[in-house]
Amino acid sequence: EAGVVQSPRYKIIEKKQPVAFWCNPISGHNTLYWYLQNLGQGPELLIRYENEEAVDDSQLPKDRFSAERLKGVDSTLKIQPAELGDSAVYLCASSSTGGTEAFFGQGTRLTVV
Amino acid sequence: GNSVTQMEGPVTLSEEAFLTINCTYTATGYPSLFWYVQYPGEGLQLLLKATKADDKGSNKGFEATYRKETTSFHLEKGSVQVSDSAVYFCALSDPPAAGNKLTFGGGTRVLVKP
Repeated sequence: EAGVVQSPRYKIIEKKQPVAFWCNPISGHNTLYWYLQNLGQGPELLIRYENEEAVDDSQLPKDRFSAERLKGVDSTLKIQPAELGDSAVYLCASSSTGGTEAFFGQGTRLTVV
Repeated sequence: GNSVTQMEGPVTLSEEAFLTINCTYTATGYPSLFWYVQYPGEGLQLLLKATKADDKGSNKGFEATYRKETTSFHLEKGSVQVSDSAVYFCALSDPPAAGNKLTFGGGTRVLVKP
């Protein structure tokens, strides 16, 4: 069974440019999460989806970040415009409804220069 | 709110040494507890978990026991290998009905030397 797939693995962009990250969760997992991991820190939740509905986006900086999960499967996280402080690893995870375990993708390492 | 505190690294050990990484938590209710491992250049992998008090999670020679009385979930391994070099994260999750949101500690880097 395929795990959580994220792309790209690495992205380097100039500040003020837009960027998008893509995530394909494990088949059948209704819950999808985006986490932000700054260097040397633990991940922090940005947004959680139940199917196509964003049920917890309280930590998402909505002035520049947006996310979508059309059709309740794949998800895209976007930053526009990117700032230097957005340099981090963006992790996607998924879990089954009612499950106690989240499975993580390999992450996208973003560098803003 | 929920929080997780784990010992800061780096922790440097020789092969076959005993490893302990302390983790304590603050949470309302009865969270599930996890240890995740992150190898260089890779995402997080679940190492072990415990879902209720006194449960012991174990995997790959690692163990941790859910201690509600001390709100702790310390990770131990009796004999480490070079391949155990990684960053270890302690985490707790909200109940499934609340969405399984994970709260992580800051991570502990472990370096095992041959």
